[in-house]
Amino acid sequence: DVVMTQSPFSLTVTLGQSASISCRSSQSLVQSSGNIFLSWYQQRPGQSPRHLISQVSNRDSGVPDRFSGSGSGTDFTLTISRVEAEDIGVYYCLQYYYWPHTFGQGTKLEIK
Amino acid sequence: EVQVVESGGDLVQPGGSLRLSCVGSGITFSDQWLNWVRQAPGKGLEFVANIKPGGSLRRHLDSVEGRFTISRDDAKNSLYLHMNSLRRDDTAVYYCMIGLTIWGRGTLVTVSS
Repeated sequence: DVVMTQSPFSLTVTLGQSASISCRSSQSLVQSSGNIFLSWYQQRPGQSPRHLISQVSNRDSGVPDRFSGSGSGTDFTLTISRVEAEDIGVYYCLQYYYWPHTFGQGTKLEIK
Repeated sequence: EVQVVESGGDLVQPGGSLRLSCVGSGITFSDQWLNWVRQAPGKGLEFVANIKPGGSLRRHLDSVEGRFTISRDDAKNSLYLHMNSLRRDDTAVYYCMIGLTIWGRGTLVTVSS
């Protein structure tokens, strides 16, 4: 199975500052067409996961532009600029190129 | 408004069976890959199974292969997960996910004697 490794495990950020979460896959997620099958999700405390970004950098409708995704091949980053209190929760990356689709172990974001 | 609602979770003994259901409104299931994802208590997310539009391809996680079966009924805008020979490590909240973007609230399966 493709292993998705996120870092850090947890992150404490001051309101208004930026946060970056890394996700590394054990195999390339790049299809021959150039599509990259990597998504990001946010799970707030006590809630279901919420889709943020697909194909590395395409934000879902309603997701603030403070959230951005980047990367290629096997290395990907979710960046949250100007962190707000509502951003607390656990963030997961997902590869959906190989079966079984696999999530990273999650990164917990807390506010200082 | 799009809504996805799971049901069928329960407390069941090891070796028992359950059928989970997921019903959607405000969205047409027939065009979508449909998925089950689970989350054990205090743990991360794990993809359990998915099924292609039309149902011609179904995939299951190795650890549930032969015990769980995913199915769909597009006429009812519904997705199912038939779970047999349940084990303690199947204990989790089971989420229905439409495409890769729309999640339900989940249904809790507890396997315990």
